Amino acid sequence: AAGVIQSPRHLIKEKRETATLKCYPIPRHDTVYWYQQGPGQDPQFLISFYEKMQSDKGSIPDRFSAQQFSDYHSELNMSSLELGDSALYFCASSAPGQGQETQYFGPGTRLLVL
Amino acid sequence: TQLLEQSPQFLSIQEGENLTVYCNSSSVFSSLQWYRQEPGEGPVLLVTVVTGGEVKKLKRLTFQFGDARKDSSLHITAAQPGDTGLYLCAGGTTGANSKLTFGKGITLSVRP
Repeated sequence: AAGVIQSPRHLIKEKRETATLKCYPIPRHDTVYWYQQGPGQDPQFLISFYEKMQSDKGSIPDRFSAQQFSDYHSELNMSSLELGDSALYFCASSAPGQGQETQYFGPGTRLLVL
Repeated sequence: TQLLEQSPQFLSIQEGENLTVYCNSSSVFSSLQWYRQEPGEGPVLLVTVVTGGEVKKLKRLTFQFGDARKDSSLHITAAQPGDTGLYLCAGGTTGANSKLTFGKGITLSVRP
């Protein structure tokens, strides 16, 4: 079965640079969620999109923005990167009417800020 | 703020033993999901429970959602080294597209 696809899988950036993370949800899933997981931490919710509109916002810094496109893929844009942004970034997707809370996670993007 | 407490935080057992771990909260969740995560990989969904008192089985894993939908347990029978990993519980709230609130996770090590 198709899973959530994230790219790139690994990313190394310098401080103050920008990064763009991409997420391709499971086909026919209309909702995308972004989570950040620091070393030894549990995933923390950043932001979600439903039908291309932002549906919920968590602890996402103002330096980050995200959007969902017409093909339902999503991009997380990160600017003015800081050392503390180094983390695993996960995208999850869920299907309409399927018990909305069931989320399927991608393999993640490991971001290292030097 | 809804919090999920998972216990124990770390567990090391011998292959073949049984174990039960817990996920507790003072808040009510509309659903609770259990994930297993390998280092550097994404959480893999094991089960979603939505009805108070619900019990679901996945091979040697048995999941139960508390009657009040505030807590859940995961029981593993005859643990195998392949069960080693981080087990995360996550609670979802009512409403469309609700975010998940995760517990800190339980690190399980099964020794051959």
